Amino acid sequence: QKEVEQDPGPLSVPEGAIVSLNCTYSNSAFQYFMWYRQYSRKGPELLMYTYSSGNKEDGRFTAQVDKSSKYISLFIRDSQPSDSATYLCAMPKSLMNRDDKIIFGKGTRLHILP
Amino acid sequence: KAGVTQTPRYLIKTRGQQVTLSCSPISGHRSVSWYQQTPGQGLQFLFEYFSETQRNKGNFPGRFSGRQFSNSRSEMNVSTLELGDSALYLCASSFGTLYEQYFGPGTRLTVT
Repeated sequence: QKEVEQDPGPLSVPEGAIVSLNCTYSNSAFQYFMWYRQYSRKGPELLMYTYSSGNKEDGRFTAQVDKSSKYISLFIRDSQPSDSATYLCAMPKSLMNRDDKIIFGKGTRLHILP
Repeated sequence: KAGVTQTPRYLIKTRGQQVTLSCSPISGHRSVSWYQQTPGQGLQFLFEYFSETQRNKGNFPGRFSGRQFSNSRSEMNVSTLELGDSALYLCASSFGTLYEQYFGPGTRLTVT
């Protein structure tokens, strides 16, 4: 079983719709959960990170963590064509800053249709 | 403030050669991490440097190495290049954590 799994998509939704992007993970030790957005031929851009369970909101973006199910989500409200990109989830393996590494999902390609 | 910069942006090398990539972090950031991104494997962690010391390392062969200078700038070196090393190499900087990193635009390396 992969440590982090993410549906590659593509996911196509009409402009204005609510988008739901998800990742599952296998290691219950993960504590921080990040979401990155990557436009074609660009580096990933940090959207937000959350610690442990719960929700975090930033503008049109909401990140949700369900540690009991090992499932994280990113919701985008009022989606815009400019949201078309690849979205990657990521998790550092431990809280220690030694012998650590960060695991990324493969990314979900999102297309917002005007 | 200025973001993470990487040079060069594009590079073509032949098998067996070596290559050095450069990364300048955001001012004040002391941690620099390097990643390899390919269509097949996605984004994979290479290593992290903090205050000139390698602090964390991913599962890559010893041909991949790096260093960090006193001004936090970092270089990554790949020796004896293989075709499979063709990828986008990204660096990211932070104040010291892996959960709040900021990426540069990447260096696209093609090995022929």
